[in-house]
Amino acid sequence: GENVEQHPSTLSVQEGDSAVIKCTYSDSASNYFPWYKQELGKGPQLIIDIRSNVGEKKDQRIAVTLNKTAKHFSLHITETQPEDSAVYFCADGHYNAGNMLTFGGGTRLMVKP
Amino acid sequence: DTEVTQTPKHLVMGMTNKKSLKCEQHMGHRAMYWYKQKAKKPPELMFVYSYEKLSINESVPSRFSPECPNSSLLNLHLHALQPEDSALYLCASSSRPGEKLFFGSGTQLSVL
Repeated sequence: GENVEQHPSTLSVQEGDSAVIKCTYSDSASNYFPWYKQELGKGPQLIIDIRSNVGEKKDQRIAVTLNKTAKHFSLHITETQPEDSAVYFCADGHYNAGNMLTFGGGTRLMVKP
Repeated sequence: DTEVTQTPKHLVMGMTNKKSLKCEQHMGHRAMYWYKQKAKKPPELMFVYSYEKLSINESVPSRFSPECPNSSLLNLHLHALQPEDSALYLCASSSRPGEKLFFGSGTQLSVL
């Protein structure tokens, strides 16, 4: 990718509420959009990813949606729990084309019990 | 085994020291990466090894020297670092370049 903007930079929610993080990308050739969760003192962990041939993907409480026309994709976390508190990074890339990922600036999610 | 293992977890070094960071994966991945991450920032790509050969060097200063002894190991040799090099250094791997990245827990480096 070329540039990925991520919003918001910080997000505070009450336990049980939903959280939504949005990313916008500029490279129209991007076809791979992963999301990473980074807890304090740890490396980023891949939590979900989506390729451009689908518009939505779910894994239990986590879902990602992709709008290729508008060039944005979003992470949705439902029924948030304190252990969801972390920094989340979106990224874009060209899967299986050897190109490296471009990361967004990150969102610090805080889930208050 | 889906782990990328990095050692040491923490490292404090002076500007005249020589040290090495180590990374190991046993997933059969053929691409390995070094990233640098400053506090509250996303990871920044430093180097990419593809099939044990250096394929990308993102204009990293020569005081950082990567080495890939075999398909499972990746080292980062450090010499004459500056205080601004203090950061979390992350190793990652993927089955091939540009595919799903798996990160290690990183080495928190402090340069005094």
